[in-house]
Amino acid sequence: GEDVEQSLFLSVREGDSSVINCTYTDSSSTYLYWYKQEPGAGLQLLTYIFSNMDMKQDQRLTVLLNKKDKHLSLRIADTQTGDSAIYFCAESIDDNAGNMLTFGGGTRLMVKP
Amino acid sequence: DADVTQTPRNRITKTGKRIMLECSQTKGHDRMYWYRQDPGLGLRLIYYSFDVKDINKGEISDGYSVSRQAQAKFSLSLESAIPNQTALYFCATSGLSLAGGRNEQFFGPGTRLTVL
Repeated sequence: GEDVEQSLFLSVREGDSSVINCTYTDSSSTYLYWYKQEPGAGLQLLTYIFSNMDMKQDQRLTVLLNKKDKHLSLRIADTQTGDSAIYFCAESIDDNAGNMLTFGGGTRLMVKP
Repeated sequence: DADVTQTPRNRITKTGKRIMLECSQTKGHDRMYWYRQDPGLGLRLIYYSFDVKDINKGEISDGYSVSRQAQAKFSLSLESAIPNQTALYFCATSGLSLAGGRNEQFFGPGTRLTVL
């Protein structure tokens, strides 16, 4: 079955880089996603990567995918206090059931000034 | 996402009461979902609907029921609330997703439910 795991907590200083890691078990994942949840709000899609890609960069965000190890990471360059939030990784698989998402438990990022 | 709204935003109720959480969307999406969020457990799928006549159980449907009143509306009911249903509940929507394609979901702001 599907299982997506993340560490619970990460603390960094403002201006440093943050790296949030995620592991998944289903090798038939087609897309992997990173969502951000700010306090009191729902989840917003930050970025996604197709499973045949190794890397995707979008401004301060870099997503790395190691398909062999089933490891996904999100790097945030020059982390700001506004980046403090919970970050969820999610995977979807092509199982003829509508590409449903399975979410990790979320990593709470705290950015210290 | 402001196009996905949930009511109420907060609710405190007592064990045994019937509760309905409502979700509306103006995105024109066919697919709608209900999740619950518990600390450290991420989001777990309760029910989902791919169109008005289609309702499916998710990972944790016991104790919950849903109604898809229209394409834009999807409500979640707790027939007899119990304390372990205290959680943050999210509604989400998504558009048509081809096999193996992206399935970006758009989330409402959440309903915080406390069952005493």
